[in-house]
Amino acid sequence: GAVVSQHPSWVICKSGTSVKIECRSLDFQATTMFWYRQFPKQSLMLMATSNEGSKATYEQGVEKDKFLINHASLTLSTLTVTSAHPEDSSFYICSARDRKGTDTQYFGPGTRLTVL
Amino acid sequence: QKEVEQNSGPLSVPEGAIASLNCTYSDRGSQSFFWYRQYSGKSPELIMFIYSNGDKEDGRFTAQLNKASQYVSLLIRDSQPSDSATYLCAVREVGGGKLIFGQGTELSVKP
Repeated sequence: GAVVSQHPSWVICKSGTSVKIECRSLDFQATTMFWYRQFPKQSLMLMATSNEGSKATYEQGVEKDKFLINHASLTLSTLTVTSAHPEDSSFYICSARDRKGTDTQYFGPGTRLTVL
Repeated sequence: QKEVEQNSGPLSVPEGAIASLNCTYSDRGSQSFFWYRQYSGKSPELIMFIYSNGDKEDGRFTAQLNKASQYVSLLIRDSQPSDSATYLCAVREVGGGKLIFGQGTELSVKP
């Protein structure tokens, strides 16, 4: 089956620093990847849609200058949380769309970010 | 505002019973429907997708789609305690690639 990896799986950082999260599709090419955030006991919140070779499309209310997304290849998208603050602490999950075959989205295992 | 609605639960069923999870959606033009399972602290994993009206079976899971009623459901036969999780219904946005998620139904299977 389709496999999506994320790195790191968890990260603790100091307030004001930046954190980069990688999302990779391991056995398929993903022209589109999605970044979600999930707070405890809440549903997934889509942050942005990442398209290979073009600018990401951000959902309403998501600061594009704070959450930098780069989709440089068909298998890699990165999310950088800039100048992180404690309120950015959350579970960040990426998904990749496999447009061949079943055209479904597969999720990475997630990255738990804690900002001190 | 395109919406996907699920009962948040918790839905509690005894081990061995059939669990029935329901989902309604607002966009009549929707064509692609997905069920994901999410264990606490983990990311969602795909259980099934369904595109055509009717039933689709995969092992203990059956997805049912009724486009006229804008209703999609997931049946889990012979429920096991390991099925205890939150089940997310998702509908692909018409004309786009985004998935619109329901808020999820928490299922608890009691031994």
